[in-house]
Amino acid sequence: EVRLLESGGDLVQPGGSLRLSCAASGFAFSSYVMSWVRQAPGRGLEWVSTIGASYDTYYEDSVKGRFTISRDNSKNTLYLEMNSLRAEDTAIYYCAKDHLGALAVDFWGQGTLVTVSS
Amino acid sequence: DIVITQTPLSSPVTLGQPASISCRSSQSLVHSDGNTYLSWLHQRPGQPPRLLIYKISNRFSGVPDRFTGSGAGTDFTLKISRVEAEDVGVYYCMQTAQFSRTFGQGTKVEIK
Repeated sequence: EVRLLESGGDLVQPGGSLRLSCAASGFAFSSYVMSWVRQAPGRGLEWVSTIGASYDTYYEDSVKGRFTISRDNSKNTLYLEMNSLRAEDTAIYYCAKDHLGALAVDFWGQGTLVTVSS
Repeated sequence: DIVITQTPLSSPVTLGQPASISCRSSQSLVHSDGNTYLSWLHQRPGQPPRLLIYKISNRFSGVPDRFTGSGAGTDFTLKISRVEAEDVGVYYCMQTAQFSRTFGQGTKVEIK
């Protein structure tokens, strides 16, 4: 059974930092494209970042230079390092895996809440 | 970046009746490999999204056949042949043709 378990969400002040983790199980983690997608309260889905199986990385424009996606295949874990956090980064952050070879997100974790506020 | 426009944003439907959602992209979603990477997701309140359709018209595992995706290039449609109570929620289209992925704004389906 595929499982994605996010952790690390918290209340942080503007300008602060946070590291999210996503523990994966039930599939060959190292072979899959993985992403972070966020959803602000009452809003729609917003793609944040993607990392390929070959460690290639991609970012939404508003997080470039502030967020870093990474993966540790030995631990089956996906990370999102977030710096210089802003109020508009407040959201539920979902970890998601691609459907192999289909460039579609086929499984999502339950999400972890990041709140940026003073 | 590719902008995706979904219509309608809200769709009140009667149980057992059909529903249709449109998704239009600002650029063609045909990838250099020849595939078109447009997918549809469904999100119930308080739940993460789940994949319904990928590459325009391929139903994901376990998705009922009352869900049908169609379209090409920049215009795509999701149709529900007969809406059931469990179909309420928000539907999103998503493009993955470019490295920078984008979602539509979402269409809220509710029962009249």
